[in-house]
Amino acid sequence: EDQVTQSPEALRLQEGESSSLNCSYTVSGLRGLFWYRQDPGKGPEFLFTLYSAGEEKEKERLKATLTKKESFLHITAPKPEDSATYLCAALRGETIKAAGNKLTFGGGTRVLVKP
Amino acid sequence: KAGVTQTPRYLIKTRGQQVTLSCSPISGHRSVSWYQQTPGQGLQFLFEYFSETQRNKGNFPGRFSGRQFSNSRSEMNVSTLELGDSALYLCASSLVGVTEKLFFGSGTQLSVL
Repeated sequence: EDQVTQSPEALRLQEGESSSLNCSYTVSGLRGLFWYRQDPGKGPEFLFTLYSAGEEKEKERLKATLTKKESFLHITAPKPEDSATYLCAALRGETIKAAGNKLTFGGGTRVLVKP
Repeated sequence: KAGVTQTPRYLIKTRGQQVTLSCSPISGHRSVSWYQQTPGQGLQFLFEYFSETQRNKGNFPGRFSGRQFSNSRSEMNVSTLELGDSALYLCASSLVGVTEKLFFGSGTQLSVL
């Protein structure tokens, strides 16, 4: 059974204090590893997709990396507006026709950045 | 470009009732997926529709059902509501065959009393 585990569950940071979030996955033939950001009262918002080990993607203060077993989301010099829950999700390696868009989500990491 | 629209935003029902939730995807998107989000279980996949056909289904009981119309709009129905069905129900749309990037709506918060 596909499994995605995120750690820590919660993270309190001071503004400017860089940190990393972890996402471990056990998925049959990973087709893609996704990162989403979710603000209270809203649906998840897409951040990145990583497809193969060694791949990295950046967006502003966020950088996502992927290995064969886990992914990291690095937050560099965070600001209060980076406070949110960060979700990772895995898509298995079947064809779109078979597996569609069935994502397996982790439990999320709640990040609070204090000024 | 308008985003994914879900209605209603909030819903309160009692045990045993049934409920229908609506989702309008982004224009041009043909795939609509539904997810249930709870504090204990997180986000769990319910089902996905593409061209009016259910293409994939999660591990939920048959009380949960859905459908998609020819204009790609989708509805999900939960019959014989239970207290444990209280959750945020999220709809997501995507372009199929181009990208698996999902665009989520803000969800329908369902409370079962």
